[in-house]
Amino acid sequence: GAVVSQHPSRVICKSGTSVKIECRSLDFQATTMFWYRQFPKQSLMLMATSNEGSKATYEQGVEKDKFLINHASLTLSTLTVTSAHPEDSSFYICSAIHQLTDTQYFGPGTRLTVL
Amino acid sequence: GDSVTQMEGPVTLSEEAFLTINCTYTATGYPSLFWYVQYPGEGLQLLLKATKADDKGSNKGFEATYRKETTSFHLEKGSVQVSDSAVYFCALSGAGGTSYGKLTFGQGTILTVHP
Repeated sequence: GAVVSQHPSRVICKSGTSVKIECRSLDFQATTMFWYRQFPKQSLMLMATSNEGSKATYEQGVEKDKFLINHASLTLSTLTVTSAHPEDSSFYICSAIHQLTDTQYFGPGTRLTVL
Repeated sequence: GDSVTQMEGPVTLSEEAFLTINCTYTATGYPSLFWYVQYPGEGLQLLLKATKADDKGSNKGFEATYRKETTSFHLEKGSVQVSDSAVYFCALSGAGGTSYGKLTFGQGTILTVHP
């Protein structure tokens, strides 16, 4: 079946540094990808919609200058957490919509810890 | 805005017991409804879906019926197995346009099945 990968699976960084998370659709093309954030024992919260070749669309309350999204190809979207702080520590999950079937597939998530 | 409310967990059952996880929603228009499952260490997987009122989604012995009159989409399984232990998320998706593909999730219900 269709697979979405995320890299890295875990990352620990110091406060003030930037971290890039990659989301790849391995065997299909995806015009649209999404980035979610999941807090412990809470639901997934949609952060932004990533569209190939155009600017990302951010949900209300999400700082676009802090969470930079780039969707440079039909198989790759990246989320960069800039000047990370401890409150940015979370589980980040991406999903990709199969261009042909419209089915949405999720990545396994990236655990970010900011010290 | 749209919202999804799931019964709080965790839920602990013995093998072959009957499972119900309640899910209710609020949304404008006619959303599509989904149940996703997240096994330990893996990404969310679509379990079943329903796109219009009175539709029944089913997969792997799980069922859920789209009830517009009660705005509910309860998940049921007649006989659970240890391998069903996972986190279950109820979700809805808007009718299209700017809502295309965007999912609103419930808070998730942890299910543990004991032999």
